[in-house]
Amino acid sequence: DVKVTQSSRYLVKRTGEKVFLECVQDMDHENMFWYRQDPGLGLRLIYFSYDVKMKEKGDIPEGYSVSREKKERFSLILESASTNQTSMYLCASSWETDQPQHFGDGTRLSIL
Amino acid sequence: DAKTTQPPSMDCAEGRAANLPCNHSTISGNEYVYWYRQIHSQGPQYIIHGLKNNETNEMASLIITEDRKSSTLILPHATLRDTAVYYCIVRVGSPNFGNEKLTFGTGTRLTIIP
Repeated sequence: DVKVTQSSRYLVKRTGEKVFLECVQDMDHENMFWYRQDPGLGLRLIYFSYDVKMKEKGDIPEGYSVSREKKERFSLILESASTNQTSMYLCASSWETDQPQHFGDGTRLSIL
Repeated sequence: DAKTTQPPSMDCAEGRAANLPCNHSTISGNEYVYWYRQIHSQGPQYIIHGLKNNETNEMASLIITEDRKSSTLILPHATLRDTAVYYCIVRVGSPNFGNEKLTFGTGTRLTIIP
């Protein structure tokens, strides 16, 4: 079974802090994704990566950056956290961009 | 990607088969039908996908009509742990930029009744 592990299930941070969300997958997948999920807005793609050190912007990259130094690990960085970044953050991975994406359990991030 | 239409909610008795319908009347020839589900407070879980033939795996069966305009996800023996929101989506079946993101609609909230 594919395993996508996100470092925290719940996280509380303060406005202006730099926040790191970590994601690790164990299936040697090429592609990794970061989404956020908000009530009434569904899933929104923040960034994705199709290879080590490669990244592409999704629909809502503002205020975020990513890092992929190793194939299995994809990090999401909130440069200066703001209250409107309070959300459920979901990491996913897949073999190819048209193949099923497998998700972690999510990190529920609260910015106070 | 083609839009899909699902009923907002359904109930099913525990142990019975749960049949979840999805309409995708504008599906294109190169688009696959995917099903995911999301149990409360967890990440989405991939269930199954198919192009035109019926598919079965350890979780579910997918029945796609011959004209491909609708499909049904079947959970053969529903348990309480199958209570979740089920999402039907269609996606182009080739790897190319612009195809990478998943877009979920509102889905069907399936409740398994003891």
